[in-house]
Amino acid sequence: AQKVTQTQTSISVMEKTTVTMDCVYETQDSSYFLFWYKQTASGEIVFLIRQDSYKKENATVGHYSLNFQKPKSSIGLIITATQIEDSAVYFCAMSRASSGSWQLIFGSGTQLTVMP
Amino acid sequence: NAGVIQTPRHKVTGKGQEATLWCEPISGHSAVFWYRQTIVQGLEFLTYFRNQAPIDDSGMPKERFSAQMPNQSHSTLKIQSTQPQDSAVYLCASSLEREENYAEQFFGPGTRLTVL
Repeated sequence: AQKVTQTQTSISVMEKTTVTMDCVYETQDSSYFLFWYKQTASGEIVFLIRQDSYKKENATVGHYSLNFQKPKSSIGLIITATQIEDSAVYFCAMSRASSGSWQLIFGSGTQLTVMP
Repeated sequence: NAGVIQTPRHKVTGKGQEATLWCEPISGHSAVFWYRQTIVQGLEFLTYFRNQAPIDDSGMPKERFSAQMPNQSHSTLKIQSTQPQDSAVYLCASSLEREENYAEQFFGPGTRLTVL
């Protein structure tokens, strides 16, 4: 069965620093997709970045990047030069390719607080 | 460019009443997903449609819950005889998914259902 685990419940960092959020996943599939989403205080869920399992290069979008370690089934999210508005709950998610169902399986989330 | 629209944003029902939640996907998106978010269970998949056809309803409670997509511009989630444990935020997401190629899901603002 597929599973996504985020062990960090909350993280606090100072503005303009770099933060890494951890995520490990379990799957028997050879092909899968990994995502990070952000949920703001208003409840809005925003797509941030994705990593396709067959790609070796780490994805980067703006000040978000991924640390994909396939042998460890790990997909960390790195946010550089954090800003106050990055404060949110960050969810790691996985979708599998084998069953024809593209549902997302989410981790429990990490609350990030960026302090001035 | 309008995002996913969900109505109503808030709904309060009495125990045993019916609740119907509406979702309008992003224009041109071929897939619609429903998720539920609670503090205890986190984000859970319920069901999804591709090109209006039901693909996977493995997350739907077997009784009282049903979903339809009568046309490409809207989907409904109906809960009959609502119970207090149905209280949650119900989220709709859509994507440009094709059967052979995964695309990111974009979420609506959610409907907060409260069952008294």
